[in-house]
Order: sequence, then C-alpha cells, then structure tokens
Amino acid sequence: KNQVEQSPQSLIILEGKNCTLQCNYTVSPFSNLRWYKQDTGRGPVSLTIMTFSENTKSNGRYTATLDADTKQSSLHITASQLSDSASYICVVSGPYGQNFVFGPGTRLSVLP
Amino acid sequence: DTEVTQTPKHLVMGMTNKKSLKCEQHMGHRAMYWYKQKAKKPPELMFVYSYEKLSINESVPSRFSPECPNSSLLNLHLHALQPEDSALYLCASSQRLAGGDMGGANVLTFGAGSRLTVL
Repeated sequence: KNQVEQSPQSLIILEGKNCTLQCNYTVSPFSNLRWYKQDTGRGPVSLTIMTFSENTKSNGRYTATLDADTKQSSLHITASQLSDSASYICVVSGPYGQNFVFGPGTRLSVLP
Repeated sequence: DTEVTQTPKHLVMGMTNKKSLKCEQHMGHRAMYWYKQKAKKPPELMFVYSYEKLSINESVPSRFSPECPNSSLLNLHLHALQPEDSALYLCASSQRLAGGDMGGANVLTFGAGSRLTVL
C-alpha cells in the first residue's frame, strides 16, 4: 500500500534554533517527493521538490535530503523564525495516473 | 502567472442552500483537483480532472458536484450540505496527473483555500 509517514507529529523549538523533520514513504515506483509548508487556514506552498536522482536541495533556510534506497527524506530548517510556525507536509508522487500521496504533516511551533 | 485562485475565501451556508466554489489557473495545467481539509489533518482528495474530464472521484457524496467548464476553471457545486462538511476546501493543479516521466517538473500548486461553514 502506498503510504507516507512523518515524524515528529509536532515540534516546539525556540527562535533561532535548527530542526529536522522526517518523512518515510512506501510509494513505489517513485517519481518525486515534495515538501510543503501550510500556514493555518491557508493552502500549502511548495518548498522543495526532489526526484529519484537528487540527494539534497536547498531553498533559503530550508534544506531537503532524499535517500531513495531507504525511502526516507528530511527537511532541515536552520535559524528558525517565528514565521516558520506552520504544518509541514511531505507529498510523494508515484505511478502515473495515481494520486499524490500525502503524509499527515508535522506541526512546528517556533517560540520567541 | 503561477497562481491558483479560489473564490470565495469564506462561505457560510445553510443546509438547504445551493452555492458554488470556484477555482482558476492560467499556468496551462491540465490536471485540476479538489481537496477537503479538516483541522489538523492533511488534505483529502475529492475529485481529479484530467484534460477537462473527471478522472478520479473518491466516493464523494452527491451533494458535492464538480464541474470543469474549460482547462482553466474548476467549480465545486454544493447542495444540501451537512454541518460535518464544514472544512477548508483546497483547489490544486498540476501539469499532468501525478507520476509519469515528468520527474520534478510536475508540481502540485494549491490555491489559498475556501473556508466553508455549514450551519
């Protein structure tokens, strides 16, 4: 069954600290993986997208990694800001014509 | 233009009302989606249109009726809804359906959402 799991479910950190969010998937065959940031009550916004051949991709303070062998991805946030408080959702795209498979999300709270 | 526009942003309706949610994109995407999202949950797929034809219907009750008038527009018609249908409704689009050989080029782009409250 195609599934995406994320950990932790929620995370609280202090402003300026770094954190890492995890995503494990069983989607096969694999096409690509994206991390989205979703502010409360708003639509998700794409942060990074990674294909099978990519190991690391950065977008400002966000760095995503992908290990296609172990089917794991991580999203590292450096020097966190209050505006990073949001849900982070991992979405995996698999076989053509199938749905995008969503993880349950990690709720990040950055405190001053 | 790299946006998906949804209207209205907020909608309050009674259980006997008929209303519609609208979605528009001008990125040339040929796949469009409706998702329903409850608080603290990931989006749940409702409908997928591919080249203006309904491709996937995830067993959604008939009180939700999708319509794709052309390649840029997607509507969701609402009738006789229940209070438990209150949620954030998200429209999204992508160049093609998920997967295939497009690799990283096929990005799912979301609208800002329509917050629906059914009284």
